[in-house]
Amino acid sequence: AQTVTQSQPEMSVQEAETVTLSCTYDTSENNYYLFWYKQPPSRQMILVIRQEAYKQQNATENRFSVNFQKAAKSFSLKISDSQLGDTAMYFCAFMKHRAGNFGNEKLTFGTGTRLTIIP
Amino acid sequence: DGGITQSPKYLFRKEGQNVTLSCEQNLNHDAMYWYRQDPGQGLRLIYYSQIVNDFQKGDIAEGYSVSREKKESFPLTVTSAQKNPTAFYLCASRATGSGTQYFGPGTRLTVL
Repeated sequence: AQTVTQSQPEMSVQEAETVTLSCTYDTSENNYYLFWYKQPPSRQMILVIRQEAYKQQNATENRFSVNFQKAAKSFSLKISDSQLGDTAMYFCAFMKHRAGNFGNEKLTFGTGTRLTIIP
Repeated sequence: DGGITQSPKYLFRKEGQNVTLSCEQNLNHDAMYWYRQDPGQGLRLIYYSQIVNDFQKGDIAEGYSVSREKKESFPLTVTSAQKNPTAFYLCASRATGSGTQYFGPGTRLTVL
């Protein structure tokens, strides 16, 4: 079974600064996807970024980027130039992947990191 | 607009009653999922469906039931057999060939 660990229950950072959220996972699979989801106070789960394990290049989406270390099973999220709207719970999630088939693959979530951006 | 809708936003239930949570999507996604979220925990999978008229149990299916009669709809019934149903429930869907799940806005269920 896969497990996802987020060791930082809460973090806070000044507006415009950079912050890094940590995530580690445990799996025996070689092919998988990793995701970061954001859950603001509205509680809607919003996809921030995803990484395919077979890709060596780290994924980026505007101010959000990841540091994917496959051997270390680490998947951290970096938020640059943080904004007040980034205040939210952030969840790391794992999904194993059989080539061409996502049929019965589920997301396994970490327990989340509550990020507060201070004005 | 394309998206996933869940209703109601808030739901109150008396002990011993069954209640049904609605999830509808107009994204033409084949797969749909139900998750439960409790304080201090990540999301846990209740049920999922890959295609119409087919669904499978997730990790915490006891006390829940689902149906998938239409591609757009995946309602979840919380039965009286569910011992601790107070939680936040999230529905998600996924397009065929994509690994990414997209979520609805959620339903907060409270048992009185």
